[in-house]
Amino acid sequence: AQSVTQLGSHVSVSEGALVLLRCNYSSSVPPYLFWYVQYPNQGLQLLLKYTTGATLVKGINGFEAEFKKSETSFHLTKPSAHMSDAAEYFCAVSDPGGYNKLIFGAGTRLAVHP
Amino acid sequence: ETGVTQSPTHLIKTRGQQVTLRCSSQSGHNTVSWYQQALGQGPQFIFQYYREEENGRGNFPPRFSGLQFPNYSSELNVNALELDDSALYLCASSSAGGPDTQYFGPGTRLTVL
Repeated sequence: AQSVTQLGSHVSVSEGALVLLRCNYSSSVPPYLFWYVQYPNQGLQLLLKYTTGATLVKGINGFEAEFKKSETSFHLTKPSAHMSDAAEYFCAVSDPGGYNKLIFGAGTRLAVHP
Repeated sequence: ETGVTQSPTHLIKTRGQQVTLRCSSQSGHNTVSWYQQALGQGPQFIFQYYREEENGRGNFPPRFSGLQFPNYSSELNVNALELDDSALYLCASSSAGGPDTQYFGPGTRLTVL
């Protein structure tokens, strides 16, 4: 069965600092991988996704993530944090052979301090 | 292009009651998935509908049921509400198959007292 582990339920950074949110997955086959962001009292917005091809994926708002098969990881990074990046971030996987059901991690709340 | 919409925004029910939540999919999408997000947790997959048929189901009891209509909008019905059903219910629409992105609505906040 597939699963997702997000290390660190809370991450705090200073404005302008590097953002690193960790995601590891467990899957019997190479999955599709996603990062979503959730602002307070809102639904989920896709930041980026990996399906096939280039393992470094660039998304919206300056975020990017790298698929590392050997480490079963898909960590999310942003070189310079902005106050508006404060939100909850979710990593998710889906089975390429399945029906596009998303399995989410527990989420990481990012706080950005001035 | 209209995004995914959900109604109502908030709902308060008492234990044992029944509730119906509604979702309108994004234009051009024929697949709707429902997720339950308990406080402080990630969303959990309830079920998915494709062309009016249930296409897959997560680990939820039969009192969670759904419908999809010819215009691809969808309903989530929950019978015999329990306190643990209190959560944010998210609807997502997509085109069928492959890694197509799921677009989420703003959710319905259900509180069971």
